[in-house]
Amino acid sequence: AQTVTQSQPEMSVQEAETVTLSCTYDTSESDYYLFWYKQPPSRQMILVIRQEAYKQQNATENRFSVNFQKAAKSFSLKISDSQLGDAAMYFCAYLSNFGNEKLTFGTGTRLTIIP
Amino acid sequence: DAGVIQSPRHEVTEMGQEVTLRCKPISGHDYLFWYRQTMMRGLELLIYFNNNVPIDDSGMPEDRFSAKMPNASFSTLKIQPSEPRDSAVYFCASRQSPGSNQPQHFGDGTRLSIL
Repeated sequence: AQTVTQSQPEMSVQEAETVTLSCTYDTSESDYYLFWYKQPPSRQMILVIRQEAYKQQNATENRFSVNFQKAAKSFSLKISDSQLGDAAMYFCAYLSNFGNEKLTFGTGTRLTIIP
Repeated sequence: DAGVIQSPRHEVTEMGQEVTLRCKPISGHDYLFWYRQTMMRGLELLIYFNNNVPIDDSGMPEDRFSAKMPNASFSTLKIQPSEPRDSAVYFCASRQSPGSNQPQHFGDGTRLSIL
């Protein structure tokens, strides 16, 4: 079974600075997808960014980018120019591409933005 | 476009009572997922449907939990009888096929409190 580990329960960053959230995963599969979801206090789960394992190029979405290291099974999220609205819980998630639709989540990292 | 719609947003009831949570997926999405989120266990997949058919219910904790999807635009998660340990936030999510790279879109969740 796949597992997703987020080793940083809490992180904080000064507004306008850059922060990196860590995620590692364990799998024996070669083809899969990785996601970062954001959960603000409003509770809604919002997709931030996704990465296909077969793509070597790291995904980017505006201020959000990932560092995908397939051999190391690492999938970190970098937030540049942090804004107050970025404050939330961030969840890393894994999805197999072999027909199993189960999205496996990490335990989350709570990000605080310091004004 | 309307997102995934869940109701109620909050539910408080006494143990032993029947609880019904409702979900309307995004139109055109043929996968529907029910998740439970607790502090202790994080986000867990309970069950998912494809084209209204339950595919994997291995995450359903007990026989007290049941889920149905009578048509493409509606699903329910029922707990009968409810217990205090069922208190959690329950999320519904949907996505379209083909392709596992299609992200799951989450509703706002139902916060359930069993007294």
